[in-house]
Amino acid sequence: DTAVSQTPKYLVTQMGNDKSIKCEQNLGHDTMYWYKQDSKKFLKIMFSYNNKELIINETVPNRFSPKSPDKAHLNLHINSLELGDSAVYFCASSDRDNSYEQYFGPGTRLTVT
Amino acid sequence: RKEVEQDPGPFNVPEGATVAFNCTYSNSASQSFFWYRQDCRKEPKLLMSVYSSGNEDGRFTAQLNRASQYISLLIRDSKLSDSATYLCVVTSGTYKYIFGTGTRLKVLA
Repeated sequence: DTAVSQTPKYLVTQMGNDKSIKCEQNLGHDTMYWYKQDSKKFLKIMFSYNNKELIINETVPNRFSPKSPDKAHLNLHINSLELGDSAVYFCASSDRDNSYEQYFGPGTRLTVT
Repeated sequence: RKEVEQDPGPFNVPEGATVAFNCTYSNSASQSFFWYRQDCRKEPKLLMSVYSSGNEDGRFTAQLNRASQYISLLIRDSKLSDSATYLCVVTSGTYKYIFGTGTRLKVLA
């Protein structure tokens, strides 16, 4: 019974391409997030959506565009991929009724060549 | 100064040992505090929330010191399976979670 799922798990692509990562949560949470974990293992928030509304955008290049079609989904589209975009991208969700504890998806390992 | 700071370790301890990690945070207005555990090539998983009065879950005890702006995690009777990276998380506002860089723990047989 997967709580937060992401697809794909691995993504290898060339510089300049456009790619999307999808995230879905079945926890009934109202807030979803995208994080980037770089090669130094530092986990940094990129975006946060609450009830489909963008509430946090952490100085991420505008090549990254999140989209939340509904409360249970938050997708990430990346245009013109660069070498520095190689990282693991984690989706997460939380809810005020659960003390804002975050639950993470399994991650998408993006490699840009 | 980083918003959330942790000693990266690694902490190498024998099985059965007690080990403690600290984490300092810079925003005195932070409201929520957590410890997460991350295994190699896996997603972070919630270990425990940290409450003002301190809280315990089996072999794990978390403490919060608001005056000195740090939280701590104590692991008693370490098991091999406790080997992981422990991430300190502090909220900044309602929806922004600031992660520390993590402390690596290796429990040795």
